[in-house]
Amino acid sequence: AQKVTQAQTEISVVEKEDVTLDCVYETRDTTYYLFWYKQPPSGELVFLIRRNSFDEQNEISGRYSWNFQKSTSSFNFTITASQVVDSAVYFCALSENAGGTSYGKLTFGQGTILTVHP
Amino acid sequence: DAGVTQSPTHLIKTRGQQVTLRCSPKSGHDTVSWYQQALGQGPQFIFQYYEEEERQRGNFPDRFSGHQFPNYSSELNVNALLLGDSALYLCASSFFFANQETQYFGPGTRLLVL
Repeated sequence: AQKVTQAQTEISVVEKEDVTLDCVYETRDTTYYLFWYKQPPSGELVFLIRRNSFDEQNEISGRYSWNFQKSTSSFNFTITASQVVDSAVYFCALSENAGGTSYGKLTFGQGTILTVHP
Repeated sequence: DAGVTQSPTHLIKTRGQQVTLRCSPKSGHDTVSWYQQALGQGPQFIFQYYEEEERQRGNFPDRFSGHQFPNYSSELNVNALLLGDSALYLCASSFFFANQETQYFGPGTRLLVL
């Protein structure tokens, strides 16, 4: 069975601080997919990034960066120079290969509430 | 390009009633997944529809049923509502191509059962 753990329930930082959100996953599959989503107060989940299990290359997108390490089953997310607009709930999610036509269901972690104070 | 849309945005029902939630996928998407998100929790997978059939199902009772129409839109039906069914119901659409797939979510329907 697949499982995603986000041990940090809440993080509070001051604007311009860097912050890292941790994500640890469990899966028996060798092919799987990892995601990060952002959920602002409006409730809609906003897609941030997808990473395939066979691609361990880290990625940077503006102030966002992701560190994927298969050896520790972790997929951590760092926001550099945080801003008030980054305040939201962030979810890490895992999907195993359900077959040739879909990744299948997403299994989400409990989420990390990030509050960035001005 | 319209994203995933859901209706209604909010709904109040009483125990024992039945409810139908609706979802229109993003243009070009053919797969619809439904999730239930209780307050303070991560979304939980209910089921996924593809080619008008339920392809995958999570650990939800038969009171939860769905349907997908030829235009790929979908409905989620919940019968015999319980207080514990109060949650945000999220619909996600996707399209699998070249071994790539991302689920894009709608704004959700907030259901309150009294």
